[in-house]
Amino acid sequence: GAGVSQSPSNKVTEKGKDVELRCDPISGHTALYWYRQSLGQGLEFLIYFQGNSAPDKSGLPSDRFSAERTGGSVSTLTIQRTQQEDSAVYLCASSLAGRGEQFFGPGTRLTVL
Amino acid sequence: AQSVAQPEDQVNVAEGNPLTVKCTYSVSGNPYLFWYVQYPNRGLQFLLKYITGDNLVKGSYGFEAEFNKSQTSFHLKKPSALVSDSALYFCAVRDMNNNAGNMLTFGGGTRLMVKP
Repeated sequence: GAGVSQSPSNKVTEKGKDVELRCDPISGHTALYWYRQSLGQGLEFLIYFQGNSAPDKSGLPSDRFSAERTGGSVSTLTIQRTQQEDSAVYLCASSLAGRGEQFFGPGTRLTVL
Repeated sequence: AQSVAQPEDQVNVAEGNPLTVKCTYSVSGNPYLFWYVQYPNRGLQFLLKYITGDNLVKGSYGFEAEFNKSQTSFHLKKPSALVSDSALYFCAVRDMNNNAGNMLTFGGGTRLMVKP
């Protein structure tokens, strides 16, 4: 079956612009996660959605970051007024319920000039 | 709080030799433990997990890992390395007793280099 997909695969933007990153989880997976992978910080948790519950936003680094999940499926991570330190690979993962292994998408490489 | 340590940035091994990639963890409750592999320009691929039961867990591509509660370790092993195993390996933990902590905490990663 289809795995987790993310778009775009690469995004280059100018400092100060807003960007939207999209994640399509595996069908039937109720849990969705966003992580960020950067050279200096390794893999960091950003946000977690489980069903209709309020998302766990504890990993978002600033209020410029937000995410939503529509209809319990597709998720969009939005970064407003991008900064150079936002440059990283943004990974999305999904899992059954909240306790199974997480399956990762290929990531979106964001470069802020 | 939960944390993972992968003490080796890189492990070098000759093809055909056994390999070990080390991981130690810290959680307040009981751990869920995972190993993932990342090939260049790819996302993370799930290798194996420990939830409960046998301490020796077998996973994909001939990899296995041994859960050692007293040493809080979950080292990844393979009896005979292949050149194609060269990649970046991540150990991750989640505290199964923490209902609010559903995110994975990852180690810093270990680059495995298998030379022919």
